[in-house]
Amino acid sequence: ILNVEQSPQSLHVQEGDSTNFTCSFPSSNFYALHWYRWETAKSPEALFVMTLNGDEKKKGRISATLNTKEGYSYLYIKGSQPEDSATYLCAFGTGGFKTIFGAGTRLFVKA
Amino acid sequence: GAGVSQTPSNKVTEKGKYVELRCDPISGHTALYWYRQSLGQGPEFLIYFQGTGAADDSGLPNDRFFAVRPEGSVSTLKIQRTERGDSAVYLCASSPGTSGRPRNEQFFGPGTRLTVL
Repeated sequence: ILNVEQSPQSLHVQEGDSTNFTCSFPSSNFYALHWYRWETAKSPEALFVMTLNGDEKKKGRISATLNTKEGYSYLYIKGSQPEDSATYLCAFGTGGFKTIFGAGTRLFVKA
Repeated sequence: GAGVSQTPSNKVTEKGKYVELRCDPISGHTALYWYRQSLGQGPEFLIYFQGTGAADDSGLPNDRFFAVRPEGSVSTLKIQRTERGDSAVYLCASSPGTSGRPRNEQFFGPGTRLTVL
């Protein structure tokens, strides 16, 4: 059974703090790793798709790294802002049609 | 352009009733996915369409669940004899990928919150 684990489950930080979360996934049959941001009452929004071991992606204050050999990805947020408060989902693609999602990390940024 | 839309946004029904949930994908997207998200969990894959055909329906929990996409655009998820355990947010996503390989990012709708009383 393919399993995607995310940690921590939730995180409370102060505005300006930098933070990071982890996504663990099976290291075999890797095809792609996706990160999504899901704000309350909105649709999940794609942040990154990563496909190669060692990939690093950056969008503004948010960046992500990928290690396919050991099966993990990190998402980093530099200088957290209240508008960063959301659930961050990672999803593992096997090359088939299924995308397996983790349960998410819920981030709360206090002003 | 318009994103993925889902209707209704909320649906409350009684146990045993039949419900239909609709998804309008982004125009031109050939791939369409349905997911179910229960409280505290990530989206759970239900079914994937490539065009009109269901390429993978292995995530449908049982034969009470069925989905169609007759013209390769709009899709309807149908649930018969609803049970309280069916209560969840049902998400639809579309993707432009013709191969269906999940490299392509998926564009999600806002979801339908189904409550079965």
